[in-house]
Amino acid sequence: DTAVSQTPKYLVTQMGNDKSIKCEQNLGHDTMYWYKQDSKKFLKIMFSYNNKELIINETVPNRFSPKSPDKAHLNLHINSLELGDSAVYFCASSQGTGVEKLFFGSGTQLSVL
Amino acid sequence: AQTVTQSQPEMSVQEAETVTLSCTYDTSENNYYLFWYKQPPSRQMILVIRQEAYKQQNATENRFSVNFQKAAKSFSLKISDSQLGDTAMYFCASGGSNYKLTFGKGTLLTVNP
Repeated sequence: DTAVSQTPKYLVTQMGNDKSIKCEQNLGHDTMYWYKQDSKKFLKIMFSYNNKELIINETVPNRFSPKSPDKAHLNLHINSLELGDSAVYFCASSQGTGVEKLFFGSGTQLSVL
Repeated sequence: AQTVTQSQPEMSVQEAETVTLSCTYDTSENNYYLFWYKQPPSRQMILVIRQEAYKQQNATENRFSVNFQKAAKSFSLKISDSQLGDTAMYFCASGGSNYKLTFGKGTLLTVNP
């Protein structure tokens, strides 16, 4: 069983559309994250959730709305997609504040045309 | 605030040789952790090694070891007996109690046969 699974792996869409990425972890972790990896491979935190509560929102445009229905799931909805949103989005989870170890999903490559 | 700097965008090494990847960091946390993550072409983020800052002893994991110089805020990764499968992007990261890891920009390591 995959520890952190995110779907879809690839997402190609037109500018202006709305899309969602889903993430689920079966590790029993309290904390989940969304990271964005840009075209230069730079990884940056977007959001952190702990027990379904938003802990970090790293100045992400409000077109991005995370939702955590329970502590095993953290979905990312993106409205009005822009060309600059093209990137790889990683979901991750950890027990506690993340200093033990982050477990990453396999990433979703989003291409906005 | 935390910053992580990797000054080597790319490196290469011959198979079976040893290579060292550099990383410097800055943090305002008293208790923090340092990490090296590997990202092969498959895109999966894999934890290579982790160092607790309050421990003076350098962490080792098989062929991977670190040189942790706390006063200099330096955290380099040494890969011994390099293998073709070590070809990947390597990210240095730091984390404290703030629910996020801060990543460096990465070093692309190529192991040549």
